[in-house]
Amino acid sequence: EVQLVESGGGLIQPGGSLRLSCAASGFTVSSYYMTWVRQAPGKGLEWVSIIYSGDTTYYADSVKGRFTISRDNSKNTLDLQMNSLRAEDTALYYCAREGVGLHLGVFDIWGQGTMVTVSS
Amino acid sequence: LELTQSPSASASLGASVRLTCTLSRGPSSYAIAWHQLQPEKGPRYLMKLNSDGSHSKGDGIPDRFSGSSSGAERYLTISSLQSEDEADYYCQTWGTGLVVFGGGTKLTVL
Repeated sequence: EVQLVESGGGLIQPGGSLRLSCAASGFTVSSYYMTWVRQAPGKGLEWVSIIYSGDTTYYADSVKGRFTISRDNSKNTLDLQMNSLRAEDTALYYCAREGVGLHLGVFDIWGQGTMVTVSS
Repeated sequence: LELTQSPSASASLGASVRLTCTLSRGPSSYAIAWHQLQPEKGPRYLMKLNSDGSHSKGDGIPDRFSGSSSGAERYLTISSLQSEDEADYYCQTWGTGLVVFGGGTKLTVL
C-alpha cells in the first residue's frame, strides 16, 4: 500500500529547531517530487517547500533560509529541518507525493500530518 | 498566480453543489487539483482538472465528484450530497518552484 506517515512534531520554544520526517511505503521517495504543506490552526493550506528530482529545492518566502527539505534515501524518508522557529510556524505539517501519468503535477498521496507548536 | 475560492457553501443532503476556483495573475490555461480536507484526517486528492474541462480522478473517488472548466474558472461539482461530503475543499496549482493553494471552501451539508 502506498502510504506516507509523518513524525517529529511537538512543542518547541521560539528560536528552537525541529526535524520532521515523512516515512514512505509502497514507493521510493527518490523517484518522485515531494512536498511539505502546512495548516495553521483555523487557517487554510499553505505550501512550505518542494524537492524535485535531482534534489532541486524551493521554499515559500515565509520559511526561506530557515527550513531545509531533503530526502534520506537509505530510510526512504522525506525530511524537513526547521530552524529559528517562530510562533507563526505553529501548524499541522503534511507531506505529499506528486502523482504520475494523468496525475502528473498534482499531489495525489498525502500523510496524516504531524503537529508543530511553537510557544514559550 | 492566485487561486480564489468562496469561503463557504451549503447544500441539502441529496442535492448537488458546485464549488468554484478562479485563477488570476497568471495564464487561465493552468490545470489545477481539487483536494478534500475533513476534520482529523489528512487531505484527500480528488482530481486533476485541466483547462479544457477534462479531469482525472484519484483512486476510489466516487462518480458523484466531477470537474469542469470555463475560462479562468475551475469547478468541482458534487452530486447526491452525503453527510460525509461536509469538509473543506481546496484547489491547488503549480509552477516551477511554486505551489499555490486557494483559500478553501467550507462545505456544509444541510
